[in-house]
Amino acid sequence: DVKVTQSSRYLVKRTGEKVFLECVQDMDHENMFWYRQDPGLGLRLIYFSYDVKMKEKGDIPEGYSVSREKKERFSLILESASTNQTSMYLCASSLETLYSNQPQHFGDGTRLSIL
Amino acid sequence: GESVGLHLPTLSVQEGDNSIINCAYSNSASDYFIWYKQESGKGPQFIIDIRSNMDKRQGQRVTVLLNKTVKHLSLQIAATQPGDSAVYFCAENMNDYKLSFGAGTTVTVRA
Repeated sequence: DVKVTQSSRYLVKRTGEKVFLECVQDMDHENMFWYRQDPGLGLRLIYFSYDVKMKEKGDIPEGYSVSREKKERFSLILESASTNQTSMYLCASSLETLYSNQPQHFGDGTRLSIL
Repeated sequence: GESVGLHLPTLSVQEGDNSIINCAYSNSASDYFIWYKQESGKGPQFIIDIRSNMDKRQGQRVTVLLNKTVKHLSLQIAATQPGDSAVYFCAENMNDYKLSFGAGTTVTVRA
């Protein structure tokens, strides 16, 4: 089974802090993703990475950055946390294939509160 | 822009009955579709997927139907159990890395 592990289930930080959310997958997947999930808005893609040191902006990248130094690890960084970044953050990974799509597999999320 | 949506936000079903969860998509270029289940306090869990060259795919107690003519996707759950209570999302993909998710249907199983 695919295992996507997010380092924290719950996190409370203060406005202006730099926040790191960590994600590790154990299936040697090339692709990794960060989403946020908010009531009424569904899942929205923040950033994704299709290879080590590669990153692409998703639909809502403002206020975030990412780092992928190793294939199995994808970090989401809130440069200066703000209250509107209070949310559930979900990491996902998927296998890269040439000719067909593959499903994304998700971690259990980090519920982040910014005070 | 185009989006994936679900017909009903909530569905209540008697234990043992079959459940049908519907999803309408608007992007005719989408060629891959996924159903996810999300239980309270957990991340979305992959249930089943289907590619656009198919119209039906079966898994364990689940069947996904794809009607490209009317751009409709459905998930059927046979003999619904209490453990099936969750939020169900459909997602579509257009042969790139991104998935577009619907808002979700909350399924409640009555004992």
